[in-house]
Amino acid sequence: QQQVKQSPQSLIVQKGGISIINCAYENTAFDYFPWYQQFPGKGPALLIAIRPDVSEKKEGRFTISFNKSAKQFSLHIMDSQPGDSATYFCAAPRPRGYSTLTFGKGTMLLVSP
Amino acid sequence: NAGVTQTPKFQVLKTGQSMTLQCAQDMNHEYMSWYRQDPGMGLRLIHYSVGAGITDQGEVPNGYNVSRSTTEDFPLRLLSAAPSQTSVYFCASSPHREHLNTGELFFGEGSRLTVL
Repeated sequence: QQQVKQSPQSLIVQKGGISIINCAYENTAFDYFPWYQQFPGKGPALLIAIRPDVSEKKEGRFTISFNKSAKQFSLHIMDSQPGDSATYFCAAPRPRGYSTLTFGKGTMLLVSP
Repeated sequence: NAGVTQTPKFQVLKTGQSMTLQCAQDMNHEYMSWYRQDPGMGLRLIHYSVGAGITDQGEVPNGYNVSRSTTEDFPLRLLSAAPSQTSVYFCASSPHREHLNTGELFFGEGSRLTVL
């Protein structure tokens, strides 16, 4: 069974600040780790994903940092904007033999104006 | 392109009633799944399917039934609704097992179910 532990549960950041959300996983036979973004009343949507053969991936203001030895990865949102206010989920594939993603419990981010 | 379509968007049931949440996708995706979302619990997998005629259980399958007679449709049946099944349900799909290679699942907009 894959366990994915996400922290913090909620986060308040001022506009222009850096938002950091962390995720730890137990084990996986596949190597692709995504972050999803969910706005109220909508379904989650893929934001950014990383393979752990690279330690960092950046797309605009969003960066994933990956530490394979520690089994941890984090999402950094630079220059956070009120439009980034949403719930963020990390996910990891379940171990070999399954075809599913296990999600963290989510982080509610509020970026204050 | 409609993507993943879920119906109904809202439903209120009484304890013991049965109902079916519908999910349809027009992207010819082989993989489809159902998640439930509860406050503080994140997204938990109920059932999934890797192709027509093939289904398997996820983390929280009890009280739910699924079938996959076509590639497009993956209905979720509540056999005898209980208040503990009050939740927001999401259907998600991906091409074959691509979500394991790309991390991407395509989600519907959800069905909010209240069981009284």
